[in-house]
Amino acid sequence: AQKITQTQPGMFVQEKEAVTLDCTYDTSDPSYGLFWYKQPSSGEMIFLIYQGSYDQQNATEGRYSLNFQKARKSANLVISASQLGDSAMYFCAMRNAGGTSYGKLTFGQGTILTVHP
Amino acid sequence: NAGVTQTPKFQVLKTGQSMTLQCAQDMNHEYMSWYRQDPGMGLRLIHYSVGAGITDQGEVPNGYNVSRSTTEDFPLRLLSAAPSQTSVYFCASGRGSYNEQFFGPGTRLTVL
Repeated sequence: AQKITQTQPGMFVQEKEAVTLDCTYDTSDPSYGLFWYKQPSSGEMIFLIYQGSYDQQNATEGRYSLNFQKARKSANLVISASQLGDSAMYFCAMRNAGGTSYGKLTFGQGTILTVHP
Repeated sequence: NAGVTQTPKFQVLKTGQSMTLQCAQDMNHEYMSWYRQDPGMGLRLIHYSVGAGITDQGEVPNGYNVSRSTTEDFPLRLLSAAPSQTSVYFCASGRGSYNEQFFGPGTRLTVL
C-alpha cells in the first residue's frame, strides 16, 4: 500500500526567507508521480508542482522546487523568498501508475506554513 | 471554461437522509474522483473513475455510491447520512495518471 508522511504539523518562516516542507513516501510501484498542493484558508486546493519517478531533474515552478531524493523516498517542497500569501496548508500527494493502486491519489496529513512579516 | 464545479457549497442533513453531491468538469478529463477532508487526516479518496462507465472504490467508500454516465459528470450519493460523514467533500479531475488533478471548490456537509 502506498503511504505519504508529512512529519511537520506546523512550520514558521520569516518573509523573504526560504523554507523546506518535508514529505516522505512509501510505494512498491516503480512508476509513480508526486504532487504538492496548497490549501489557503479559503479552502480551495491549488496545484503547485509535480515530479515523476523517472524524471532525472528536480521539478521547479517559479519559487517552488521539489527536492526529489528517490533512494530516500523523499520529495521535499522548497519555497524560496517566502511571501505573506504563502501562509497556508500544504499537502504532499502521490499517484501510482499501475497495479492495484492505479490512478489513486494518496495525500499526506499536511503542514501548516505561517509566514511572519 | 469553468473547470471543476461542485454543488451545493453547503448542506445540512439529518441522520438517515440521502442526497447527491454534484460534480462537473468541462475539460474533457478522463479521471474524476471524490475525496473527503477531515481535520488532522488530510484528504482521503472515496471513489474514483477512469472514464465514463468505469468506477472504483478508494480508501473510504462505505456509505457512498457513484456512477459515471458521461465524461463531464461524477455525482456522489450518500445513501443514508450519518454524523460520521460530516466533512468537506472535494471533487477532482485530471487528464491522466501523471497529470495534476484539478479540484473543485468543495462542499461542506454537516449531518446532525
